[in-house]
Amino acid sequence: ETGVTQSPTHLIKTRGQQVTLRCSSQSGHNTVSWYQQALGQGPQFIFQYYREEENGRGNFPPRFSGLQFPNYSSELNVNALELDDSALYLCASSRQDRGWSTDTQYFGPGTRLTVL
Amino acid sequence: AQSVTQLGSHVSVSEGALVLLRCNYSSSVPPYLFWYVQYPNQGLQLLLKYTSAATLVKGINGFEAEFKKSETSFHLTKPSAHMSDAAEYFCAVSALPSGTYKYIFGTGTRLKVLA
Repeated sequence: ETGVTQSPTHLIKTRGQQVTLRCSSQSGHNTVSWYQQALGQGPQFIFQYYREEENGRGNFPPRFSGLQFPNYSSELNVNALELDDSALYLCASSRQDRGWSTDTQYFGPGTRLTVL
Repeated sequence: AQSVTQLGSHVSVSEGALVLLRCNYSSSVPPYLFWYVQYPNQGLQLLLKYTSAATLVKGINGFEAEFKKSETSFHLTKPSAHMSDAAEYFCAVSALPSGTYKYIFGTGTRLKVLA
């Protein structure tokens, strides 16, 4: 069984640029959540995709956007990068169905984004 | 609204000593609670989870946690620390507002194991 994978591992961008991060969910999972982990802090929820639709969003501006594809992989896009966007971006996959109890989220290794 | 507080951003123990990492939660609904471990430059690995079954939960690598509703706590313990336990540990509570299932994490506790 393949776990959650993310690419790239590391990325360096300059302020004002745009970036796309990618995540492949674990086999059998239909939900992907994205988290931002700033240095020395716990992960913070950005948004979640369930069956290709956004299914909730944290306190992040609209320049953070995402997609989920039919194979349940996902992308996180960030426009107009700011210095404070420097962080580890974590993707987590899970299997959910409406009305189920919550299922465990399994995390990928993350993408380290540095904005200069 | 749900929240998590981890007491102690840094904890040091001697190899072989008891590990105790503290987590208190706040939740308006019965919570699901999790402990994750993060090694340097890696993602989060699930240690254990509480989902309203047994209050004493056993996880991987000899860790366990006890859910205490009266104290709103979910502390993580291990009887004997090993050098390989040195890492950052995160407690999380699940939140399910409006059908969105997300985790709310504490700020983490960095565990140092002394030889």
